[in-house]
Order: sequence, then C-alpha cells, then structure tokens
Amino acid sequence: QVQLQQWGAGLLKPSETLSLTCAVYGGSFSDYYWSWIRQPPGKGLEWIGEINHSGTTNYNPSLKSRVTILVDTSKNQFSLKLSSVTAADTAVYYCARPILYTRALEYWGQGTLVTVSS
Amino acid sequence: EIVMTQSPGTLSLSPGERATLSCRASQSVTSSYLAWYQQKPGQALRLLIYGASSRATGIPDRFSGSGSGTDFTLTISRLEPEDFAVYYCQQYGSSPRTFGQGTKVEI
Repeated sequence: QVQLQQWGAGLLKPSETLSLTCAVYGGSFSDYYWSWIRQPPGKGLEWIGEINHSGTTNYNPSLKSRVTILVDTSKNQFSLKLSSVTAADTAVYYCARPILYTRALEYWGQGTLVTVSS
Repeated sequence: EIVMTQSPGTLSLSPGERATLSCRASQSVTSSYLAWYQQKPGQALRLLIYGASSRATGIPDRFSGSGSGTDFTLTISRLEPEDFAVYYCQQYGSSPRTFGQGTKVEI
C-alpha cells in the first residue's frame, strides 16, 4: 500500500519561502519521478515540477526562477521550496507519484493549504 | 507549453445518464500521454484514465477514454451518484505537464 504524507508551514508572509516535505511509504522510491502540483482555492491545477531519485529535476518555466525540488533517498522523502511568495501562491499543494513508466499521477498526498498573507 | 481546453465547463445530468467530456490540446499530445482525473470537494485527485484509454487500477468500466492527437474524450456510460464531481484532463507527454480547467458534472 503506497501512501504519501506531506507536511509544512500553512501560513506565510509575503517574501518568505514556502517549504513542504512529502514522505513516501510503500513501493519503490527509485523507480519514479515525484511531482508537486498546486491548486489555488476554487481554481484549476498547476504542475510545479518533478524529481527522480538521482536528483534530476524538471520545473514549470512559470515558476522555475523560484522553485527548488530536492530528494532525500535515505528517508524516501522529497521536498519543495518556493521563494519570495506572494498572495498568488496561496493554494493547496499536493505531492504525487505516477504509474510506473508514465507520468500519470496515481498516488497523491493529502494536500497542504498554504496561505500567504501579511 | 501545451494548453488543454475542456468542454463543457459544466454538465448537468441525472443518475443513469451518459456523460461525454471533451478535452482539446493546443498541439498534438505525444504518444497519447493523456490522463483523466476526478476530484471531489476537499479531496485530492483520483486517476481514472491514462494513456488516453487505459483505466487505472480499481476504476469501474463505466469510465472510458478515447482520442488521440489533439482531441480526447472521457465517457461515463451510466452516471452513478458518486460520479458527480469535477473532472480534469492532463497531458504528460511534454514538459510542463499541463491540466485542463476542469468540467463539473452536476445533478
């Protein structure tokens, strides 16, 4: 049974850095690209980026200048950092794992609401 | 970036009816790397279809996907009460992976 459990600060001030971590329980860690996705309240979905066990990353160009995704294979965890946040970064952030050999996202974390407000 | 456009925005149907949801890409989706997801309020997404037409594990056969190139369709053959939700398509053949804006299926 694969489970993704995520955590991080839920309230930030403008200009601070968002930091979230996702722990993976069950299944292989090394066979996949691990993703972050966000969803502003009442709106659609935005793919943020992905990382594999070797640390190879792909980022959405719209966020690339502010995003860092890291991996810790010793703990089966990966993390998201988003710098210089503004109110526009207020969203539910999800971590996710795809089906093997695809990028279709099969397993999802529970989601973390991050609110940016002064 | 591939822009995904879903239609209609809202679909008003009754249990037992057939639902047909459309997803159009601004350019051809590589190798039909197209997924459909279901989302209910306050919940994460649930993968329904990947590779345009393959059902994910545990997904009932009333859900089916079709299409290729730039035009894709999700069909729910007979709506069950639990199927009323928002549905998103996503292309994952090229980076950045992009989602449609969603179709709400309501009673």
